[in-house]
Order: sequence, then C-alpha cells, then structure tokens
Amino acid sequence: GESVGLHLPTLSVQEGDNSIINCAYSNSASDYFIWYKQESGKGPQFIIDIRSNMDKRQGQRVTVLLNKTVKHLSLQIAATQPGDSAVYFCAENANTNAGKSTFGDGTTLTVKP
Amino acid sequence: EAQVTQNPRYLITVTGKKLTVTCSQNMNHEYMSWYRQDPGLGLRQIYYSMNVEVTDKGDVPEGYKVSRKEKRNFPLILESPSPNQTSLYFCASSPKVGILNQPQHFGDGTRLSIL
Repeated sequence: GESVGLHLPTLSVQEGDNSIINCAYSNSASDYFIWYKQESGKGPQFIIDIRSNMDKRQGQRVTVLLNKTVKHLSLQIAATQPGDSAVYFCAENANTNAGKSTFGDGTTLTVKP
Repeated sequence: EAQVTQNPRYLITVTGKKLTVTCSQNMNHEYMSWYRQDPGLGLRQIYYSMNVEVTDKGDVPEGYKVSRKEKRNFPLILESPSPNQTSLYFCASSPKVGILNQPQHFGDGTRLSIL
C-alpha cells in the first residue's frame, strides 16, 4: 500500500538538510490548500499553495505535494536554513464553501546550526 | 505597504466589559476573516466576510460579533467577554478571483486576556 507521512507536532533538522512537514486534511470536498509559516510574535505568512487539479507545485526551495486519495499534503523545504525555524500550518478550503478555512495543528520546525 | 492592521496588539480586561478589536486592510480585498489561536488547537475560524455587508459564522462564533460596513474594516466585538475568550486573535484578508480562493494575508495578532 501507499506510505503516507505522519503529522508530527515538532521536527528538528540540521542546517542544510531537507525538511518534510506532513498534514492530513479532513474534507474530501477541499480543493485548495495552503502552507503558512508563523514566526514567533507574528501572524502566519503565505508560503505556497496548490489546487486540487495538481499533485505537485514547486516554489523557491519549497515543494508542496498533494495526495487526494489519502487526503494528505506535505511541504518539503530544501537545504533548510536557521531562518526557516517557525511553526508551519496547512490550511484547506473548498470552493463550494468558499469562506470557510480549516487549519491543521501546526508543526514546529527547529533548525540546528 | 500592503498590510492588515489590528488594534490593540495587547489588552488585559475584565469579565463583562465590552471590547472591540479593530482590523483594517489597505489592499482592497473582498474577503476578511477572524481567527483565534490557542495552544494545541491551531487556528480556529470565528467569523468571515465575503464582502461588504456579508458575514458568516466560522467554527467558533459563540460570544463574538462582527460587522462589515466598509470594505477595509472588519471589527471583532466581544459584547460580554469571559475568561475562556482569553486567546491570541488574528485578522486576515484575501482577494477573490471569481470563485477561486486565494492565500490570506494576516495581521500580527491581538493578545487578549480576560480576567
């Protein structure tokens, strides 16, 4: 069967390594997914998004993967840097209920120098 | 600079004393929303507004009111605050492109303590 990454509340990585943060979403009608980064004392900031007609999208050092079959989303950060230390949230929306946004519990990423 | 501005940033008050947290955005966004963030519970949506004079309940609306009389402002009102409303609150906005959702822009948060 297919292997799906577990959601972990905390993740610690060495500087320069790649990070993978996982998220399971709940609503099979969700068709828009976003990853946000929240630094201490600030509001969440948009990192990357993906719509349900795609299964992969790449940005600068970040990649989002979407597996609709098992309702799973992951964020990959390449060559993780100390400035990447933050809490990362996934969020899901459905165009059929466009105003509602549901956020995951968040993963705290710590990058060790 | 494009931003979402919340005021106050910090407030300590007492049970039952009405308070309003203001939120203003300068990006001409149609959509605005309020969230509360509590340890271990992530962000939970309180109310949202798809456009002027259009508001709707999120997942945790009890004890809160909102209004959207102008596009740029979306105040959050606690008519009779209680200690269980002690939390970190975020306002957010986003543009709308047809029916498609877009990423939200968040303010820096308002930390409310209700004694």
